[in-house]
Amino acid sequence: DAKTTQPPSMDCAEGRAANLPCNHSTISGNEYVYWYRQIHSQGPQYIIHGLKNNETNEMASLIITEDRKSSTLILPHATLRDTAVYYCIVRALYNQGGKLIFGQGTELSVKP
Amino acid sequence: GAGVSQSPSNKVTEKGKDVELRCDPISGHTALYWYRQSLGQGLEFLIYFQGNSAPDKSGLPSDRFSAERTGGSVSTLTIQRTQQEDSAVYLCASSLVPRIGGNTEAFFGQGTRLTVV
Repeated sequence: DAKTTQPPSMDCAEGRAANLPCNHSTISGNEYVYWYRQIHSQGPQYIIHGLKNNETNEMASLIITEDRKSSTLILPHATLRDTAVYYCIVRALYNQGGKLIFGQGTELSVKP
Repeated sequence: GAGVSQSPSNKVTEKGKDVELRCDPISGHTALYWYRQSLGQGLEFLIYFQGNSAPDKSGLPSDRFSAERTGGSVSTLTIQRTQQEDSAVYLCASSLVPRIGGNTEAFFGQGTRLTVV
């Protein structure tokens, strides 16, 4: 079973920041937080991952709370092309082959 | 190609027939994963390969499902005696061996849409 909880849907205005929350209260010390997104009819696309420090790349920023029980994915300037289902995943790299266990994700709708 | 390639992209088969789905991972990726996504649902893990061996087959839904990988590269997912509930998109992903501090991103293919009629 997925170890994360996400809101089923969110809306965001184009050009504004999209903040997607994720709860992972049972995360273990050796487990990473990964974010993927799936645009309609396509395969999932990697966005970002982190262990305990905040991370930023060209796509997004990941903010992880100090106790690591929750995180937030930030898309700084959402565009219509960011409309997708966003999955927050807890991944154990050394166990279970590092397989990704997907939950139901958050369906983000970016509106003009 | 540079990405994970899956074939066919679409497959329509009659109930009771066997089907084979193919996955070509990114060159050099020793880890390979199969997933299934039914209409409107999330991704369901099926099986994981490390090289040619499958240490985790826990997600295969029944003994009608099997998979193999040869040469540490191409993988085939076989579904025998297909049923209508097997209709779904079957996705394959590959990555380098997951390790701390390494590039462990898993890349997904575009999937095979299987329809059993």
